[in-house]
Amino acid sequence: KAGVTQTPRYLIKTRGQQVTLSCSPISGHRSVSWYQQTPGQGLQFLFEYFSETQRNKGNFPGRFSGRQFSNSRSEMNVSTLELGDSALYLCASSLGGEGAYEQYFGPGTRLTVT
Amino acid sequence: AQSVTQPDIHITVSEGASLELRCNYSYGATPYLFWYVQSPGQGLQLLLKYFSGDTLVQGIKGFEAEFKRSQSSFNLRKPSVHWSDAAEYFCAVAPTGGGNKLTFGTGTQLKVEL
Repeated sequence: KAGVTQTPRYLIKTRGQQVTLSCSPISGHRSVSWYQQTPGQGLQFLFEYFSETQRNKGNFPGRFSGRQFSNSRSEMNVSTLELGDSALYLCASSLGGEGAYEQYFGPGTRLTVT
Repeated sequence: AQSVTQPDIHITVSEGASLELRCNYSYGATPYLFWYVQSPGQGLQLLLKYFSGDTLVQGIKGFEAEFKRSQSSFNLRKPSVHWSDAAEYFCAVAPTGGGNKLTFGTGTQLKVEL
């Protein structure tokens, strides 16, 4: 079974621009979560989508948004990029639903804002 | 709010020696507990998880972890470390109420001396 895929793997943007990152979960997984990883703040939860609905949200400004499609693929968008948005953005998928499920992570998208 | 503490930022062990990485959590009840490993430039790989039941859980690559409710701990162990185990290790918790919001510790960087 193919793992979680994220595109693009690397991205360089200029301050003030916007960016869209894509995540394809493991086949059959309905939950997709997004995390930001930086040297200063570590791994932080952005949001989770399950069956096309945002189920959980972290403490990030409204510039960070996401969505999930009917095939469970997800995108996250960051508008008005700031230098501090430079990070590794990780996507994770799980079966979701009720109960306990482990999350499987993709390789990440490395975003550099200049 | 839940939190995770990994008190050791860096640990160095000799190849073949035993390893224990510490993890303490703060949560109102018993959360779901995870250990992930991250190699440079890579995403996170799940080593093992605890949901309920037997407090000693076995994972991949010869790792195990023990959940101790009285100490709010979930320490990771390996009896004999291999050079390929050098990586960063993250402990994480998720709420038992549903959803996939992982809260991560700050990570422990493991160096293996040959």
